[in-house]
Amino acid sequence: DTGVSQDPRHKITKRGQNVTFRCDPISEHNRLYWYRQTLGQGPEFLTYFQNEAQLEKSRLLSDRFSAERPKGSFSTLEIQRTEQGDSAMYLCASSLVGTGETQYFGPGTRLLVL
Amino acid sequence: AQKVTQAQTEISVVEKEDVTLDCVYETRDTTYYLFWYKQPPSGELVFLIRRNSFDEQNEISGRYSWNFQKSTSSFNFTITASQVVDSAVYFCALSEGSNTGKLIFGQGTTLQVKP
Repeated sequence: DTGVSQDPRHKITKRGQNVTFRCDPISEHNRLYWYRQTLGQGPEFLTYFQNEAQLEKSRLLSDRFSAERPKGSFSTLEIQRTEQGDSAMYLCASSLVGTGETQYFGPGTRLLVL
Repeated sequence: AQKVTQAQTEISVVEKEDVTLDCVYETRDTTYYLFWYKQPPSGELVFLIRRNSFDEQNEISGRYSWNFQKSTSSFNFTITASQVVDSAVYFCALSEGSNTGKLIFGQGTTLQVKP
């Protein structure tokens, strides 16, 4: 059974460019979460999907961020017009829906905006 | 509001010492879930344990043990006979009994185990 995968693992971009990250969850998992982690901090919730529906977005998710999960399988997170403050590790997790279910995390995508 | 506090930013021990990582949480819910994750230098968060608010039994798994005390809103993690491979950042997290399942993490404790 493969775990959660994320691509790319590292991304360096210039300020103002758009970037897109991909997350492939564990195959039978119907929930998918995105978190952001900055240096020295714990991960912070950004958004989550149940199947293809995006059910909640954090206030951290500005209008420049958009996430999709078109067929209820993989998900993409796009950041438009990147800013230096977007530099962080972007983590994806998946789980089976249920109260207090365990989330399993991918390796993350580390973004550096120059 | 929900909050998780890990007051210990960094801990350094010598191999074979026992070490306890503290976690204190705040929530208004009566049903909630607590987790510990390990983040090695590679960056991936590794699930260690999940506990629900109705189960206060302590748990032991090999060299790891967890002490859940609702009276003090704490969920502490002890590593017995630490090893160099235990060096990592450890996160405590809270998920409330609502339907979203989102996790609220503490700031993490960096554990360094020296040989």
